[in-house]
Amino acid sequence: DIQMTQSPSSLSASVGDRVTITCRASQGIRNDLGWYQQKPGKAPKRLIYAASSLQSGVPSRFSGSGSGTEFTLTISSLQPEDFATYYCLQHNSYPPTFGGGTKVEIK
Amino acid sequence: EVQLVESGGGLVKPGGSLRLSCAASGFTFSSYSMNWVRQAPGKGLEWVSSISSSSSYIYYADSVKGRFTISRDNAKNSLYLQMNSLRAEDTAVYYCARGSAQETGDYWGQGTLVTVSS
Repeated sequence: DIQMTQSPSSLSASVGDRVTITCRASQGIRNDLGWYQQKPGKAPKRLIYAASSLQSGVPSRFSGSGSGTEFTLTISSLQPEDFATYYCLQHNSYPPTFGGGTKVEIK
Repeated sequence: EVQLVESGGGLVKPGGSLRLSCAASGFTFSSYSMNWVRQAPGKGLEWVSSISSSSSYIYYADSVKGRFTISRDNAKNSLYLQMNSLRAEDTAVYYCARGSAQETGDYWGQGTLVTVSS
């Protein structure tokens, strides 16, 4: 199975900050990766697909980059509604595997 | 508008069974692979099972293999998860999610809670 190591597991940031979250795959997965946002009590929502493509309707302050084994989700200017937990998901091979999550909290 | 609505969760004793359903609307259900993903209380997301559009390909996580069965009825636009021999560690919110490849997880249901406890 492909392991997805996500870091950091949590971070504190202020509104307007630039935030970067990283996922590292245990083997190459091309660009077969998505990023998801989850708020408490809600279903995950996809933000990014194919590592760097923005899901329709998602604000442009979210961006993704990377290929192979190293991937990054960046929020260019953190907004109050962005405080949530973020997950990466690889779908290059079965079983699909999620990163452990990054909880973004208010500083 | 794509909608996925799960049902069938509840409280069940260890060793018991439960069948989850996911009703799909707003898209051509028969054209998409579907997935079940779960989240234990306070924990991260865990993929459980996938089924291809025509049910030709089915995959399970090792943690549920031999106990859970995924199926679909394209005529009824519905996805199912039959869960047998349930354990305390199966306690989680179960989500259905659409898609495979670049469409993996593009839409999710609201989830249904399964609690396994005596």
